[in-house]
Amino acid sequence: GQNIDQPTEMTATEGAIVQINCTYQTSGFNGLFWYQQHAGEAPTFLSYNVLDGLEEKGRFSSFLSRSKGYSYLLLKELQMKDSASYLCALTTDSWGKLQFGAGTQVVVTP
Amino acid sequence: ETGVTQTPRHLVMGMTNKKSLKCEQHLGHNAMYWYKQSAKKPLELMFVYSLEERVENNSVPSRFSPECPNSSHLFLHLHTLQPEDSALYLCASSQEVQRGGHEQFFGPGTRLTVL
Repeated sequence: GQNIDQPTEMTATEGAIVQINCTYQTSGFNGLFWYQQHAGEAPTFLSYNVLDGLEEKGRFSSFLSRSKGYSYLLLKELQMKDSASYLCALTTDSWGKLQFGAGTQVVVTP
Repeated sequence: ETGVTQTPRHLVMGMTNKKSLKCEQHLGHNAMYWYKQSAKKPLELMFVYSLEERVENNSVPSRFSPECPNSSHLFLHLHTLQPEDSALYLCASSQEVQRGGHEQFFGPGTRLTVL
């Protein structure tokens, strides 16, 4: 099975940078996803990493180290609309099954 | 608008009722998923369908019965549920389930309350 850990909540001010860590233990690995979920809404895709390294997409970047079982999502130039839950999810097989962490609630303050 | 719709958005039912949740995707995907999201818990995968065939049943009780009549539609039939089944039920679809690298697109969910 898998064990996925991420912090429960983080608070940061508008314009700042926040890094959300995700650590995992798994017997197989086929990729790591980050999703954003605003309260009462559907999760939306942010990033996918399958190889080690940094993937940058605008204000959001995601990093993966497979040997360390570690990923982070970096949010730059925070905006109020970035207040949401950020979900780390693993896929370990070819059938697209996602195993989710509990999510990190990011609160952006003025 | 994500291209995945779910109805109803809210449902209240008694433990003896039978109801169905419906999901429709307009993205041309060939894989569909049901997830359960309870308060303070991670999203839990319930079922996976690829090309209308079930490829995963994640130890879900038989009071939840999925149906996938074609690649665009997915149902979750509910009967004799328990109060602990109250949760947000999310449907998702993806382009190609093999090789696991494709993002899943989620619907807005059905908020289910079992009395």
